[in-house]
Amino acid sequence: ETGVTQTPRHLVMGMTNKKSLKCEQHLGHNAMYWYKQSAKKPLELMFVYNFKEQTENNSVPSRFSPECPNSSHLFLHLHTLQPEDSALYLCASSSPLAGAKDTQYFGPGTRLTVL
Amino acid sequence: QQQVKQSPQSLIVQKGGISIINCAYENTAFDYFPWYQQFPGKGPALLIAIRPDVSEKKEGRFTISFNKSAKQFSLHIMDSQPGDSATYFCAASRETFSGGYNKLIFGAGTRLAVHP
Repeated sequence: ETGVTQTPRHLVMGMTNKKSLKCEQHLGHNAMYWYKQSAKKPLELMFVYNFKEQTENNSVPSRFSPECPNSSHLFLHLHTLQPEDSALYLCASSSPLAGAKDTQYFGPGTRLTVL
Repeated sequence: QQQVKQSPQSLIVQKGGISIINCAYENTAFDYFPWYQQFPGKGPALLIAIRPDVSEKKEGRFTISFNKSAKQFSLHIMDSQPGDSATYFCAASRETFSGGYNKLIFGAGTRLAVHP
């Protein structure tokens, strides 16, 4: 499998649940990103990991907890979410070593609904 | 200063027509301006990008026009086709050499519908 994959594609959870989103990239990239996409809003950068180290946390509430065990995998752990957290969560990756340094490659996203 | 303002929010164009989407930015340190295209059920994908040393870049039917003094850039889709129907996002960034990654600031998106 190539590119950036995300699982699950759809997730419905209650406010007291704990769940995790998974992202995997098969592109040999070193940087991985989590974005939140809400209707009619710009994509919101949440977290950035570069060579497994978190380099950006864009004032994200602590109910979102990222984990990057290696350069190919990225997780977003969710707990006690709010209904306003319902959105499409996108993962992306990029590499300064590739020819197109600035290109971010996105996965298809996880559609999250919080009841 | 970090915002990128995109307009219109939605656009309907007839097949064969020209689609024009506009973006404006505030931060003069931005030096990379990509456009991403997103189809339903898919993540955004890079369509075309420009740096401020040129005023125009063309790739097939897609052209970016860049006006550095006005801090504006636009996407033109010539001979628009129904297959171009998607959401388009402009973005801007400043290359971060020390970090090794690129922090993109996205516009809110334009939903384009091309009618046959």
